[in-house]
Amino acid sequence: DAGITQSPRHKVTETGTPVTLRCHQTENHRYMYWYRQDPGHGLRLIHYSYGVKDTDKGEVSDGYSVSRSKTEDFLLTLESATSSQTSVYFCATTAAITDTQYFGPGTRLTVL
Amino acid sequence: DQQVKQNSPSLSVQEGRISILNCDYTNSMFDYFLWYKKYPAEGPTFLISISSIKDKNEDGRFTVFLNKSAKHLSLHIVPSQPGDSAVYFCAASAAGTYKYIFGTGTRLKVLA
Repeated sequence: DAGITQSPRHKVTETGTPVTLRCHQTENHRYMYWYRQDPGHGLRLIHYSYGVKDTDKGEVSDGYSVSRSKTEDFLLTLESATSSQTSVYFCATTAAITDTQYFGPGTRLTVL
Repeated sequence: DQQVKQNSPSLSVQEGRISILNCDYTNSMFDYFLWYKKYPAEGPTFLISISSIKDKNEDGRFTVFLNKSAKHLSLHIVPSQPGDSAVYFCAASAAGTYKYIFGTGTRLKVLA
């Protein structure tokens, strides 16, 4: 929809290791988001960005950090992965002139 | 504190009949509402939206109704098709925040 790609698409890692997920968009949308999807919880906002180097926390930000050095890229880092961070992670973007949010294909992360 | 609720985790409907998916919200600041459809192993895709200045919005087989006094919105799909089988999320946002709160989703199954 908004030229959003996520990498990797699947990852298995071990508890305590750092993990970085990448989101890339081609539409020059100002706003970018990271969500996690878990059964019974729907989509929960982890962090979001309203511009280059401008980020803020969402409702489930503990254990996660983000960075946005370019408009098109938004990185999500798990400093020390835990089993509770096993989830499907979605990146999303919104253009400033609309209120519609578009999602990437997701990254399935398993922390053993 | 769930600000957006989808109280029906699942719904089954016969092909050709109407599907009605419901969503309730608690925050009176929300003034923009969206519905997303999600297939397994894919990201959510935008379906239809409605602003609080309207009480109805139609797009083909999909109609969203908004009852502001009841803080309730519903998505009607008529006629339902087997390809509509998916998880549907409603989301709400307050003007200018560009932050979206999602419900937990309703799994729709359209029976052929």
